[in-house]
Formats: sequence, structure tokens, C-alpha cells
Amino acid sequence: QSVLTQPPSVSSAPGQKVTISCSGGNSNMGSNLASWYQQVPGSAPKLLIYDNNKRPSGIPDRFSGSKSGTSATLGITGLQTGDEADYYCGTWDSSLSAVVFGGGTKVTVL
Amino acid sequence: EVQLVESGGGLVQPGRSLRLSCTASGFSFDDYAMHWVRQAPGKGLEWVSGITWHSGAVGYADSVRGRFTISRDNAKNSLYLQMNSLRAEDTAFYYCAKAPWLELHTHYFASWGHGTLVTVSS
Repeated sequence: QSVLTQPPSVSSAPGQKVTISCSGGNSNMGSNLASWYQQVPGSAPKLLIYDNNKRPSGIPDRFSGSKSGTSATLGITGLQTGDEADYYCGTWDSSLSAVVFGGGTKVTVL
Repeated sequence: EVQLVESGGGLVQPGRSLRLSCTASGFSFDDYAMHWVRQAPGKGLEWVSGITWHSGAVGYADSVRGRFTISRDNAKNSLYLQMNSLRAEDTAFYYCAKAPWLELHTHYFASWGHGTLVTVSS
């Protein structure tokens, strides 16, 4: 059971938008910054979003992040077949003194 | 370019030990905290352990505390994970990950290795 809660899967058609939610508590999302990762099967995770809404160099602006209270959200616009992957949220948990992740969300492009 | 290369994985019997290594290049290794994150086959990400830039502080997940030991050798640009009393549930890909700063507390990892597979089975 993951500390952060994500929907198991989301799907949409090419060119459309999907959003992925990540719900936590006061000791993690409520008091620390959020991050998001993309993982294609067989590959290591890749950082998509950090500090709630910042994109590392090379990440297209189709990917966006936001956070409110104890929840964070990842948005993907202009969905492409190459976006099919697993997406994870993460943050620090001040009570556990540990990095925590969501259980992951599989994005399917219909 | 940041590069993290893990090694040391393999098949090991329950109760035995294994030591993982991560060799870093492309950045000033001793300026950053480092971490291990694992992923059981078909499952999600699980943080395992972290260590500050000068080894002054370490942290462990409850699932491995008392069995695993993290360490680093800044002169060799290397991170280690000594895993003792291994269990079947420790079977996973183990990733080395770079923190964005010196200290243990981090909410993201910008750089990851490709991982090394540890299989615990008799």
C-alpha cells in the first residue's frame, strides 16, 4: 500500500488531455513539494516535473504539474502514442523521514 | 552528462547477502546526497535508503532497516548498498538515484541509473 494514492490507469485519444491525481497527507504532499516521473516499460524512471510545476530541460510543455493542499496533479496535453507509460508522483514525508511514491498510473492512448 | 551505473545484482538464496555498487560520473559526486530506490517486477517504486554528501546522515525504509547498510566512497565516486538477510520480497530492480543537493531530505531525483536486478530465491 503506497503512502500516496494515484488512480491505477487513465486513457484518452491522441491529441486529447489526461490528468493524473496524487493524493497524500499533511506530512508529505501537504508540507513538501511534488515531483512526477515517467517510466516506459524496461527503462528507468525519468523526471518530468519537480517543485510542483517545474520542468527539467528537455521536457516538453505538454507536461504540467500543480499542487493544492495535500494533492498534486499531472496534466498531459496533446497526447501522443509515445506518452504511453507509467507515471509516478513522489515527495518527502516529514513524519517518516523518507521519500514516498504513489503506486503509479498507467496511461493508455486509445 | 550525469551517469550512474549500478552493478552487483544477481540471484541469491534467502538469508544470504549481496553488495550493490553504483559508480557515478559527470558531476561532482561529493556535492550530492545519493539514494537507492527499488522496484519489484510489475510493481511500483519504493525508496530504500539515502545518504548525505559526507555520510553524516543516512535513512532507511522500515522494510530494510537493520538488514541493509548504505555507504559511499567519495574518492571512488561510488555508492554502495550492503544487503544482508535477504528475503524473497527484496527481489527487485535496484536503482541508484542522485539527489538535487547535499542533504538527505529530497522530494525528487533528477538522475537515475539503469538499475540492477536482485533475485532472492532458493
